[in-house]
Amino acid sequence: QSVLTQPPSVSAAPGQKVTISCSGSSSNIGNNYVSWYQQLPGTAPKLLIYDNNKRPSGIPDRFSGSKSGTSATLGITGLQTGDEADYYCGTWDSSRGVFGTGTKVTVL
Amino acid sequence: QVQLVQSGAEVKKPGASVKVSCKASGYTFTSYGISWVRQAPGQGLEWMGWISAYNGNTNYAQKLQGRVTMTTDTSTSTAYMELRSLRSDDTAVYYCAREGGGYGDFDYWGQGTLVTVSS
Repeated sequence: QSVLTQPPSVSAAPGQKVTISCSGSSSNIGNNYVSWYQQLPGTAPKLLIYDNNKRPSGIPDRFSGSKSGTSATLGITGLQTGDEADYYCGTWDSSRGVFGTGTKVTVL
Repeated sequence: QVQLVQSGAEVKKPGASVKVSCKASGYTFTSYGISWVRQAPGQGLEWMGWISAYNGNTNYAQKLQGRVTMTTDTSTSTAYMELRSLRSDDTAVYYCAREGGGYGDFDYWGQGTLVTVSS
């Protein structure tokens, strides 16, 4: 149903790095800014990245975002057990909001 | 600090309506729009629509057109989402989210309201 595709899961050991891709099209990512959200179990989503690569105050620089063409990427370095969560990309398509399919990050 | 506090959980029968509230505090309510996002059990996020708290303009997801209405009460800084003709697949946690300072992001979210549709 979602127009933005993410890998279902990624994993790495503590201290390592993971990247999460978000693939869309010219009607969404290609012509709009991308944001990223972290959803810890049982809680509301939390904004991690906005305008493709900007971090709200309080978000550590271990989290980074980038965009190229019709795809975007979230990077997490220095992985911590507290980073275990679901991550979603989001953007707009024909003036309507769209989210990615979601990626579960597991810290091994 | 910015807070969005939503109303409590609801249980509804198929065909009924539900109205969820989202009370904002800590900022000028009319300066930011509010989107509603829902999440079915074990599923991803689904954008439902947006309302301008400034002038009440709305923009709804195509699949919900005709069944959803979003409103605001500026006197109480509260946004509302009403969903009618409920079906079992409307069972979800419903979130309100404030539009952020960037282009299209949602910077603050309510705690969520579980709506269960069951006969």
